[in-house]
Amino acid sequence: DVKVTQSSRYLVKRTGEKVFLECVQDMDHENMFWYRQDPGLGLRLIYFSYDVKMKEKGDIPEGYSVSREKKERFSLILESASTNQTSMYLCASSPVTTEAFFGQGTRLTVV
Amino acid sequence: AQRVTQPEKLLSVFKGAPVELKCNYSYSGSPELFWYVQYSRQRLQLLLRHISRESIKGFTADLNKGETSFHLKKPFAQEEDSAMYYCALKAGGYQKVTFGTGTKLQVIP
Repeated sequence: DVKVTQSSRYLVKRTGEKVFLECVQDMDHENMFWYRQDPGLGLRLIYFSYDVKMKEKGDIPEGYSVSREKKERFSLILESASTNQTSMYLCASSPVTTEAFFGQGTRLTVV
Repeated sequence: AQRVTQPEKLLSVFKGAPVELKCNYSYSGSPELFWYVQYSRQRLQLLLRHISRESIKGFTADLNKGETSFHLKKPFAQEEDSAMYYCALKAGGYQKVTFGTGTKLQVIP
């Protein structure tokens, strides 16, 4: 079974803090993705990576950055957390040719 | 740019009634289309993909390139089908995956 593991299920951070969300996959997938999931807005792509050290902006990259130093790990960074970044964050990985596999999600609350 | 539209936020049907969840997409090339499902308190998972042309849990979806649609259908809804359904499109040189806003299916007993 493919495993995509996000480091935290729940996080509470203060406004202005630097926040790291970690994601690890164990299937040697080339592609990894970060989405945020909000009611009524669905899943919106923040960033994705198609190889180590390679990244592409998604639809809502503002206020976020990413890091992929190893193939299995893809980190999402909130440089200075704000209350409008309170959301459910989903990580996914996929090989080039098939579907994406998702982590369990991290619910981030910024107070 | 690639875009996926799911016009219904909520679809309520009675048990045993037919179900159709709508999905339209825009992309100039040949995309790959998927339906994902998220049951309560579970992670998002693949339901089916257009390339497979298979039926999963009684659901089918046909890619209509002329209408740029990929509607999800099931002839007889069951209570366990109640969930959030997302249509997704995979395309482009980097195989970017774009999701729609989702439709919540509620099956009334």
